[in-house]
Amino acid sequence: AQSVAQPEDQVNVAEGNPLTVKCTYSVSGNPYLFWYVQYPNRGLQFLLKYITGDNLVKGSYGFEAEFNKSQTSFHLKKPSALVSDSALYFCAVRDIGYGQNFVFGPGTRLSVLP
Amino acid sequence: ETGVTQTPRHLVMGMTNKKSLKCEQHLGHNAMYWYKQSAKKPLELMFVYSLEERVENNSVPSRFSPECPNSSHLFLHLHTLQPEDSALYLCASSQGRTGRTEAFFGQGTRLTVV
Repeated sequence: AQSVAQPEDQVNVAEGNPLTVKCTYSVSGNPYLFWYVQYPNRGLQFLLKYITGDNLVKGSYGFEAEFNKSQTSFHLKKPSALVSDSALYFCAVRDIGYGQNFVFGPGTRLSVLP
Repeated sequence: ETGVTQTPRHLVMGMTNKKSLKCEQHLGHNAMYWYKQSAKKPLELMFVYSLEERVENNSVPSRFSPECPNSSHLFLHLHTLQPEDSALYLCASSQGRTGRTEAFFGQGTRLTVV
C-alpha cells in the first residue's frame, strides 16, 4: 500500500524567510508525487508534481520541491515566504493500480507571520 | 476556477432528508472522485469512477450513493445522514491511467447535518 506522511502539523515562518514543508512517502514502484494547497473553505489547488527527471521541480507561486529517492522525501520549499502563502498544504502520491487513487498526507498548516 | 464545478456550495439538511450533491467537469477527464474532508482528519477517499464505471468504494456507508451518468457528471445522493457526516465534500477529476497527471478539485460542498 502507498502512504504519505507529513511530520509537522504546523509550520510557522516569518515573512521573507525561506520555508520548508516536509513530506515522506512509501510506495512499491515509481513514485508519482504531488503538492496541493487549500485555502479556507475551498478545494485543493495543484502546485507541482514529480513524475521523472530532475529532482528539483518548480511549480506555481514560486514554490518548488525536491525529490530525494534515498530519503523517500519530497519536501516543498519557497525561498521567500509571503503572508498570503498561509494555508493548508497536502502532499499526495498517486496509486497507479486499479482506480487511479490519490493518497493524501494529513496536511501541514503553514502560517507566515508579518 | 479549476474546471470542476460543485453545487451547491453549502447545504444544511435534516437527518431524514434526501439530497444530492452535483459535480461537473469540463476538462475532458476520464476519472472522477468523491473525497470527504472532516475537521482534524485526513482527506478520505469515498468513491472513484473511471470511464463511468465505479472502480472503488472505500467502505462508505450505504446512506451515501454515487452516480456517474457520463464522464462529465458525478452525483452523490444522500439519505438519512448522521450529524457525523457533516463535512466538506470534494469532487475531483483526472485524466489518464498512467498516474502522471494531477487531479483537479472543485470548491467543495460544505454539508451540515442537523
